Amino acid sequence: EDQVTQSPEALRLQEGESSSLNCSYTVSGLRGLFWYRQDPGKGPEFLFTLYSAGEEKEKERLKATLTKKESFLHITAPKPEDSATYLCAVQSGANSKLTFGKGITLSVRP
Amino acid sequence: GAGVSQSPSNKVTEKGKDVELRCDPISGHTALYWYRQSLGQGLEFLIYFQGNSAPDKSGLPSDRFSAERTGGSVSTLTIQRTQQEDSAVYLCASSSLAGSGYEQYFGPGTRLTVT
Repeated sequence: EDQVTQSPEALRLQEGESSSLNCSYTVSGLRGLFWYRQDPGKGPEFLFTLYSAGEEKEKERLKATLTKKESFLHITAPKPEDSATYLCAVQSGANSKLTFGKGITLSVRP
Repeated sequence: GAGVSQSPSNKVTEKGKDVELRCDPISGHTALYWYRQSLGQGLEFLIYFQGNSAPDKSGLPSDRFSAERTGGSVSTLTIQRTQQEDSAVYLCASSSLAGSGYEQYFGPGTRLTVT
């Protein structure tokens, strides 16, 4: 059974204070690792897909990286508008479903 | 372009009543998924549809839950004899194809409250 663990559960940063969010996973045959952003009262918004160890993707202040056991979402010089819950999910084997972690709630203070 | 839409956005129902939740996927997307998000539980897979293939129902928590997809587009999730533990946000997602690596795009969800 696929398992995804995200840490920390919550993170408070000062505006401009860079940090990283961790996603550890256990799967049988990773086919894709996905990062989503979720704002309160809204559905998850797709950010990145990573397929193989060593892969990196960037979007504005966000950079996602992948190893064989974990993924990191690096946030560089965050702004208050980056405050949200960040979700990590995996897709494995022949399954199409996503298995999600419980998310990391990020709060960026001005 | 239009994203995934869901209706209603909120639903309050009494224990024991049946409810229907609707999902309109992104036009042209052949795969459609239902997930449930409960406080402290994260998102849990319920069911997915791909084209004319038999749906994967492996995530449905009980036989009170069912879903159908008509004409390869709109989907309805039905919960019969609702219980308080069914209270959650029900999220629908669609992707251009089912299978490995295709990102899923989510709707805004339906918040179900069972009193």
